[in-house]
Amino acid sequence: NAGVTQTPKFQVLKTGQSMTLQCAQDMNHNSMYWYRQDPGMGLRLIYYSASEGTTDKGEVPNGYNVSRLNKREFSLRLESAAPSQTSVYFCASRDSDRVNSPLHFGNGTRLTVT
Amino acid sequence: AQTVTQSQPEMSVQEAETVTLSCTYDTSESDYYLFWYKQPPSRQMILVIRQEAYKQQNATENRFSVNFQKAAKSFSLKISDSQLGDAAMYFCAYRSAPLGTYKYIFGTGTRLKVLA
Repeated sequence: NAGVTQTPKFQVLKTGQSMTLQCAQDMNHNSMYWYRQDPGMGLRLIYYSASEGTTDKGEVPNGYNVSRLNKREFSLRLESAAPSQTSVYFCASRDSDRVNSPLHFGNGTRLTVT
Repeated sequence: AQTVTQSQPEMSVQEAETVTLSCTYDTSESDYYLFWYKQPPSRQMILVIRQEAYKQQNATENRFSVNFQKAAKSFSLKISDSQLGDAAMYFCAYRSAPLGTYKYIFGTGTRLKVLA
């Protein structure tokens, strides 16, 4: 019963490098999300995907791209990493067919950009 | 736009005592959902409790309960008989009710320390 799985758990990048954060869920949820968590700022939404085939910008989308590969997988790509993207990234999913369903989170990826 | 405010960056409680974490929110909507999430040092975000705005009864989950004051737009979390394992960051979150609403709004969190 894996839930939401994120890889990698840790990553260090140099400024200008690119990388993709992977996320997969096995709960058959329609909606998936990417958040970043910074000290004193809570969780801020980067992108979300209401359903397979759709993606929408959240609060802080600049510098990121996403792909909803299929119902299970939702990846986040940094094309040219910047130190301001140093953060902890969380993927989450939700059963959007149930009005009171909560978010289910992965364990997060700690990304450092030097 | 909706906002969620957690005005206590850090709280401490003695083991076995009771502590209340504050959360206020601003919205013009009448129907919505509120959540408390716990983030222990392991970084995992764990749902603690949820409340539907249309329900007057306060939600309870074992030692965790909420004081939901809709008119005051307040949603505090009470932890009774605090345990060392309760030490964590706690985040309050808001979501509009209608199907098709996808965005959650999170507060900035309260770090809870439990003293032995």
